[in-house]
Amino acid sequence: GNSVTQMEGPVTLSEEAFLTINCTYTATGYPSLFWYVQYPGEGLQLLLKATKADDKGSNKGFEATYRKETTSFHLEKGSVQVSDSAVYFCALSAQETSGSRLTFGEGTQLTVNP
Amino acid sequence: GAGVSQSPSNKVTEKGKDVELRCDPISGHTALYWYRQSLGQGLEFLIYFQGNSAPDKSGLPSDRFSAERTGGSVSTLTIQRTQQEDSAVYLCASSLWQGSYEQYFGPGTRLTVT
Repeated sequence: GNSVTQMEGPVTLSEEAFLTINCTYTATGYPSLFWYVQYPGEGLQLLLKATKADDKGSNKGFEATYRKETTSFHLEKGSVQVSDSAVYFCALSAQETSGSRLTFGEGTQLTVNP
Repeated sequence: GAGVSQSPSNKVTEKGKDVELRCDPISGHTALYWYRQSLGQGLEFLIYFQGNSAPDKSGLPSDRFSAERTGGSVSTLTIQRTQQEDSAVYLCASSLWQGSYEQYFGPGTRLTVT
């Protein structure tokens, strides 16, 4: 079956530090890949996505590249801000799966200190 | 426009009681999903509705859980004879089916079974 393995947290960084959160997946076929973010007290929001190999998703300074050869979709940001503190979830959706349900990783808690 | 809404935002119930959780998807979205977010299990798929098709119930953890979607819009998730392990945040999401995998999440209902 489909699965997502995500870098365990929590991750604590200082403002303006470089961020990487690792994500690898196992899936049949060619899944779409996503990063969702959950800010404190809020619901899940789509941060970025990529639907085919070598696609790069980007939003709010975050980037992730769909790497089929390494089955990875690592999240990066060059300079984090305090406002980036949140829980980040890597997820996949496979067209072959009924309804394209999302399969999530465990989530990574990011805390950015001033 | 309006996003996905869920009610109640918080629900505390006694073990053995039944509960109903409600989801109002984004207008025009034909696909609706329920997920559960709990400490031990992360984010899990529960059930999926697409238009008038039979729902995909493969993620429901037991026969105490059921869901319906009336008129292709509002959905209700019902948990009968609640147990303490049912305590979690229940998330609803909706999406346009055609050509889109983006799921938009509601704020969730936090269920606590005492």
